Amino acid sequence: QVRLVESGGGVVRSGRSLRLSCAASGFTFNDYIIHWVRRTPGKGLEWVAVISQDGTTHFYADSVKGRFSISRDYSKNMVYLQLSSLRVDDTAVYFCARPSTTSWNDVLNVWGQGTRVTVSS
Amino acid sequence: SYVLTQPPSMSVAPGQTARIPCGGSDLGTKSVHWYQHKSGQAPLLVVFDDDARPSGIPERFSGSESGNTATLTINGVEAGDEADYFCQVWHSTSDHQTWVFGGGTKLTVL
Repeated sequence: QVRLVESGGGVVRSGRSLRLSCAASGFTFNDYIIHWVRRTPGKGLEWVAVISQDGTTHFYADSVKGRFSISRDYSKNMVYLQLSSLRVDDTAVYFCARPSTTSWNDVLNVWGQGTRVTVSS
Repeated sequence: SYVLTQPPSMSVAPGQTARIPCGGSDLGTKSVHWYQHKSGQAPLLVVFDDDARPSGIPERFSGSESGNTATLTINGVEAGDEADYFCQVWHSTSDHQTWVFGGGTKLTVL
């Protein structure tokens, strides 16, 4: 079945880096854009980043622009989120998500279970 | 930046109706989606494209839109409906795209 599985979370000191992974299965990986969304303790759900089907187009939330980088590996059906210059307010559960169709603006109806990132000061 | 506004919390007795609003500029021109999120779980889509319901979601959940406000309605609220609910839209400008979530409404079942 269609599945997304995140990994790579952990506890990290402020200013350090971390790479999150999202393993995709059960669908044609090349056909879909993939998002990262986070759930923070205080702010709720926050969209973080998206990558296009061919990996050439990315968009980021203003809060992470210049610090986070999204990429994908077609040989492994994986999407990555590189987190750099981490701040305490980046503490969250990070989810990868896929839209219901191959359109950019479609609803996110496939979600992973999330991976927790805790940034300490 | 585009902003969606939701009340932070709402309380409803079992069997009653919960109506969760979501306000935003020119919201009528956008497709609004609603997610239910419980701690430790993946977000669950409960309404998409303003008023459509995914398969497997009870008919108690419905969506509507009027002017600049979208509303998620839960009829016959059950204890298991206690969760955080988020509205969401896609916002596109000439040089950027963002997927915007409302601040979320914590629904408490009394």
